[in-house]
Amino acid sequence: GAVVSQHPSRVICKSGTSVKIECRSLDFQATTMFWYRQFPKQSLMLMATSNEGSKATYEQGVEKDKFLINHASLTLSTLTVTSAHPEDSSFYICSARTAPNYGYTFGSGTRLTVV
Amino acid sequence: GENVEQHPSTLSVQEGDSAVIKCTYSDSASNYFPWYKQELGKGPQLIIDIRSNVGEKKDQRIAVTLNKTAKHFSLHITETQPEDSAVYFCAASTGNNAGNMLTFGGGTRLMVKP
Repeated sequence: GAVVSQHPSRVICKSGTSVKIECRSLDFQATTMFWYRQFPKQSLMLMATSNEGSKATYEQGVEKDKFLINHASLTLSTLTVTSAHPEDSSFYICSARTAPNYGYTFGSGTRLTVV
Repeated sequence: GENVEQHPSTLSVQEGDSAVIKCTYSDSASNYFPWYKQELGKGPQLIIDIRSNVGEKKDQRIAVTLNKTAKHFSLHITETQPEDSAVYFCAASTGNNAGNMLTFGGGTRLMVKP
């Protein structure tokens, strides 16, 4: 079945630094990937839709200059959290929609802790 | 946009009993309804899904029903086991394109007591 690989699984960084999270589709091409953020005991909230070869579409309230998304190939999308602050600490999850049944496959998530 | 409501937020059952989780959606154009199981520290895993041209779907101990008229769908887990304990999310999506987003319900924390 379709597999989405996400790395790293957890990262601790100092306040003010940047962190990059990678999301790869291993056995299919993903023209679109989705990035979610999940706070403890809450649901997944869509942050942005990543489109291969074009600019990402951000949800209302998500700072595009803080959460940089690059989708340079059909198998890789990256999310960079710039100038991270403790309030950015969260669980970040990527997803892609697969053919032919167009189900959604999720990565294993990245636990970001900003200290 | 789409709004998905999920109930209950927590559910505790005895091992062997059934568990039912219900969701309602607002957008009549939604046509794909997956259910995900999420264990602590992991990404969501698809357990079953249903499309709008089907009223019910079953996979061993798990079943999903869809009522398009009422705009609600439900997850049924029979003969629950302790390993079924997790957080379950329903979701809804419109269209069949790769770019159509999923909208999630608030989640249900299921606890199966041995």
